[in-house]
Amino acid sequence: EVQLVESGGALVKPGGSLRLSCVGSGFSFSDAWMNWFRQAPGRGLEWVGQIKSMTDGGATDSAAPVKGRFTISRDDSKDTLYLQMSSLKTEDTGVYYCARDNWGSDYWGQGTLVTVSS
Amino acid sequence: DILMTQSPDSLAVSLGERATINCKSSQGVLHFSMHRNSLAWYQQKPGQPPRLLIYWASTRESGVPERFSGSGSGTDFTLTISSLQAEDVAVYYCQQYHSTPYTFGQGTRLEL
Repeated sequence: EVQLVESGGALVKPGGSLRLSCVGSGFSFSDAWMNWFRQAPGRGLEWVGQIKSMTDGGATDSAAPVKGRFTISRDDSKDTLYLQMSSLKTEDTGVYYCARDNWGSDYWGQGTLVTVSS
Repeated sequence: DILMTQSPDSLAVSLGERATINCKSSQGVLHFSMHRNSLAWYQQKPGQPPRLLIYWASTRESGVPERFSGSGSGTDFTLTISSLQAEDVAVYYCQQYHSTPYTFGQGTRLEL
């Protein structure tokens, strides 16, 4: 059974930093391209960024609102995806999901809540 | 960026009736080598992550009931639920995965 489990969400002050993790199981994590998405309270879905498999070069890409502040990385030896977030803003508040990229995103984690507030 | 626009924003349908949700992209999302449209549909219920229903605009994900179907080409796409069941009450999103940044429609709230 494919599973993705996020962790690391917390309450943080504006300007602070946070690292989210996503552990995958039940599939070949190292072969997968992975995405981060987020959803602000009561709002729609937003793509945050992507990392390709190391076989495909491991390149990352991110959305304009987070570019230069958020960094996506992976540790295939631990089947883990990371989202390093810095210079956090109140508008970064929301549930953050990791998802496997596979012609759309076919498996999603349950999400982890990030709240940016003073 | 490719802008995705859904209509309507909300929809009330009786049990057993048909529900139709539309999605328009600001430019084509055809995957040239696959000759398919890079368009997905998701269902999201409160407190849950999105669930992939349809990919390549019309391919049903494994385990998705046959009452869900996707159609369309070019810049206009449709999700149809042929006979609404109570468990289909949710918010539905279209998404293009043709190019990053991946973008979603604003969502359509489907109610009884």
